[in-house]
Amino acid sequence: AQKVTQAQTEISVVEKEDVTLDCVYETRDTTYYLFWYKQPPSGELVFLIRRNSFDEQNEISGRYSWNFQKSTSSFNFTITASQVVDSAVYFCALSERTSGGGADGLTFGKGTHLIIQP
Amino acid sequence: DVKVTQSSRYLVKRTGEKVFLECVQDMDHENMFWYRQDPGLGLRLIYFSYDVKMKEKGDIPEGYSVSREKKERFSLILESASTNQTSMYLCASSLWAGDEFFGPGTRLTVL
Repeated sequence: AQKVTQAQTEISVVEKEDVTLDCVYETRDTTYYLFWYKQPPSGELVFLIRRNSFDEQNEISGRYSWNFQKSTSSFNFTITASQVVDSAVYFCALSERTSGGGADGLTFGKGTHLIIQP
Repeated sequence: DVKVTQSSRYLVKRTGEKVFLECVQDMDHENMFWYRQDPGLGLRLIYFSYDVKMKEKGDIPEGYSVSREKKERFSLILESASTNQTSMYLCASSLWAGDEFFGPGTRLTVL
């Protein structure tokens, strides 16, 4: 069975610091997808990134970057020069493809509450 | 853009009431999902459906049922609401694995 672990329950940093959110996953499938979502206080889940299991290239999008390492089953998320607006709960999630190519839902980590202090 | 809408943002019900949470998607997606979110537990899958009239249990189906009579609509039903079902409920849809889109959520309070 698949599992996603976000060991950091809450992180608090001062604005402009860099911060890394950890995500470790478990799966027996060779084909799977990893996600990061942001959930601001409004409650809506904001999609940040999707990465498939065959693409281990790191990705950078502005101040956000992701480090995918299959060898350690990790998909970590780094925010560079953090800002107050980055304060939110961040979720890592895993999706496995069924034998028919369909979807049977996401397995989420418990989330990391990121607090950026001014 | 894919749009997933949920009938209510906030809902207050009494213990024992029958509750319907509605979800509609406008992109002809095959798969639809219901999750609940609780502090410290993340999001957990309740039920999902990969076709009209088809349903599959997720990780925590007890106390819930679902209905999918039309492709675009997926309803979550609480037959007899209880206080431990107070939670945030999120609906999602996808065409294939790895393509999930979420609705805005319904915060349900059961008194």
